[in-house]
Amino acid sequence: EVQLVESGGGLIQPGGSLRLSCAVSGFTVSTNYINWVRQAPGKGLEWVSVIFSGGSTNYADSVKGRFTISRDNSKNILYLQMNSLRAEDTAVYYCARGSSGWAFDHWGQGSLVTVSS
Amino acid sequence: DIQMTQSPSTLSASVGDRVTITCRASQSIGGWLAWYQQKPGKAPKLLIYKASSLESGVPSRFSGSGSGTEFTFTISSLQADDFASYYCQQYSSYSWTFGQGTKVEIK
Repeated sequence: EVQLVESGGGLIQPGGSLRLSCAVSGFTVSTNYINWVRQAPGKGLEWVSVIFSGGSTNYADSVKGRFTISRDNSKNILYLQMNSLRAEDTAVYYCARGSSGWAFDHWGQGSLVTVSS
Repeated sequence: DIQMTQSPSTLSASVGDRVTITCRASQSIGGWLAWYQQKPGKAPKLLIYKASSLESGVPSRFSGSGSGTEFTFTISSLQADDFASYYCQQYSSYSWTFGQGTKVEIK
C-alpha cells in the first residue's frame, strides 16, 4: 500500500528555519518524482517543489532561493528545508507522488507550518 | 508562468443535479490537466488526469474533457458525498499550477 506521512511542522518565528520530512512506503523515492504542495488556511492549493528520479529539482518562484527539496534514498524519505520563513509561508504542507500522467496520485495527510512571532 | 482560471468559485446544487466546472489556461497546455476533490481537513484526491482519464476507483459519474486552453469537469448526477471543493491543475515545463478552486455546496 502506498503511504506518505509528513512530519516536522510547527510554530516558527519569521526569519527562522524548519525542515519537513515525508516518510514514504509502498514505493521508492529514488524511482518516482515527488512534490511538495501547500495550502494556506482557507485558501487554495499551491505547488511548491518537485524532485525527479534523476535528482533534478524545481521550485515555485515564491520559494526559490529559500526552500530546498532533497531525499534520502536509503531511508526512503523526502525533505523540504525551509529557510528565511515568512508569515505568508504559513500553510499545511503536503507531499504528493507524481504519476505517469503528470498528476499527483497519492498524498500525505499534511503538516501544518505556522510562521508567527 | 501559466495561470489557471477556474469558474465558478462557488456552486450551489442539489443531489441529482448535473454539475459543470471550467478551467482556462493562460496558454496551451496540451492535455496535461488534472482534477482533484478535497474535503475539509483532508488531502486532495485525484479524480481525472490527462484531461479525461478517470483515476482507478473513481466513480464514472465524474468526467473531464478539453484540450489546449479550455477544460471542463462534470459530475453527471451529484451525490451527497460529492459536496466538496474541486481544483484543476496544469502541468507544463516541470512545474504545476492549480486553479483557485470551486466549492460545491448544498442548495
